[in-house]
Amino acid sequence: GAGVSQSPSNKVTEKGKDVELRCDPISGHTALYWYRQSLGQGLEFLIYFQGNSAPDKSGLPSDRFSAERTGGSVSTLTIQRTQQEDSAVYLCASSFSHLITGNEQFFGPGTRLTVL
Amino acid sequence: SQQGEEDPQALSIQEGENATMNCSYKTSINNLQWYRQNSGRGLVHLILIRSNEREKHSGRLRVTLDTSKKSSSLLITASRAADTASYFCAISNDYKLSFGAGTTVTVRA
Repeated sequence: GAGVSQSPSNKVTEKGKDVELRCDPISGHTALYWYRQSLGQGLEFLIYFQGNSAPDKSGLPSDRFSAERTGGSVSTLTIQRTQQEDSAVYLCASSFSHLITGNEQFFGPGTRLTVL
Repeated sequence: SQQGEEDPQALSIQEGENATMNCSYKTSINNLQWYRQNSGRGLVHLILIRSNEREKHSGRLRVTLDTSKKSSSLLITASRAADTASYFCAISNDYKLSFGAGTTVTVRA
C-alpha cells in the first residue's frame, strides 16, 4: 500500500490567513504524529493521536494551532492567523502502537509552509 | 530534555570511505532509532536498537548503543553518493520520539 501522504506539498500564504494541512496515514496505523521542522533544525513534536483522540498536545506552540483526526485515519492540522514564524516544513508520521513495534514511525513528504 | 544530540554537525567524506556519527542523550530510553532525511523532506527509518542491545547491523549500517554512557553511534561503511543526506537519532520513550538537530553528511564522488 501507499505510504503516508500529505497535502499540499507547498503552501504560500499571507500573514493573518488560516491554513489547513492534511495527512493521510498508512492504513491500519493507529498512531499519528505531527512535527515541525525549521530550516536546518531537528524535528519539533507538535501533537500525538492514538485513534481519534489526542492524549498529547503538549507541543502545539500556541492556541492558534489545532489538529483533529477523524475515523482513526486522516488528520488535519490547522493554523489560524498565521505568522511569519510559522514558516517551516510540517511533517506527519504514523505508526502501529508503540507497544507492538517500538514506535518505528513512517513519515510523509511534508508540507512546506511559507508565510509572507 | 530527552532529545538526542548528534555529533558532528556536518561531515564530508570521499566515496568509499566510512562515515561515523554519534548521538548522546540524557535520560533512560526504551530504544534509540536512526533516520535519514534527503532534501529537507520526509524522514526514512534506518534502524532501531533496543535498550538491551549493544550492536545492530543492517546492510552497510552498523549501530552501537552504550546505555552506561548514554550514547550511540551510526557507522556507514563504503559510502556512496546516494548516502548524502541528514541523519537524525531519535530517543524513544513510550509513544514519543525526540529528535536531535542531525548530522549532515556529504559524500564526494
